[in-house]
Amino acid sequence: DAGVIQSPRHEVTEMGQEVTLRCKPISGHDYLFWYRQTMMRGLELLIYFNNNVPIDDSGMPEDRFSAKMPNASFSTLKIQPSEPRDSAVYFCASSLDRDLEAFFGQGTRLTVV
Amino acid sequence: GESVGLHLPTLSVQEGDNSIINCAYSNSASDYFIWYKQESGKGPQFIIDIRSNMDKRQGQRVTVLLNKTVKHLSLQIAATQPGDSAVYFCAVPMDSSYKLIFGSGTRLLVRP
Repeated sequence: DAGVIQSPRHEVTEMGQEVTLRCKPISGHDYLFWYRQTMMRGLELLIYFNNNVPIDDSGMPEDRFSAKMPNASFSTLKIQPSEPRDSAVYFCASSLDRDLEAFFGQGTRLTVV
Repeated sequence: GESVGLHLPTLSVQEGDNSIINCAYSNSASDYFIWYKQESGKGPQFIIDIRSNMDKRQGQRVTVLLNKTVKHLSLQIAATQPGDSAVYFCAVPMDSSYKLIFGSGTRLLVRP
């Protein structure tokens, strides 16, 4: 398996624009996580899914953020409208059932100017 | 609530020496602990985990020690190599949920 695949690797956008980050989890993994990493706040869990269903989105910072998982092999994290303070590296991770070992993707570095 | 902290932000060691990275946690009910390694430009990579019914667990060149009395765990890397240079995070699930709380990270620098 190629691991967790995220796209794009880098995204630069203007404030106010919509941004969509994409993730393909490892096949067979039932849990999918979206994290954000910044120097100030470190790694923060935004939302996670179990079997395509959002379980806990309490980490989503604002209503500008939304995440979907239409099927077991694809998830998106959308920011609309984007703001400069959203600039960060966003990671997607997946894991098997009760095994908490999460496998992370390479991340998407988002810069909002 | 859960908080996870690291004792040192940066650790510099000589190649070949052993490295010890420390982590403190606050929730005495925590029963699962994970160490991740993050290299520059990459996502965190699982290194080793330990459950609360154990005090020690060994992997390849790595050992994790858990002291539940003082709520402290450490990651020991034997014969540190240049490839070990990275930021190391401990992570602890919040309560019984899957919310992993990550420590702020320790940067390990290996001197040749």
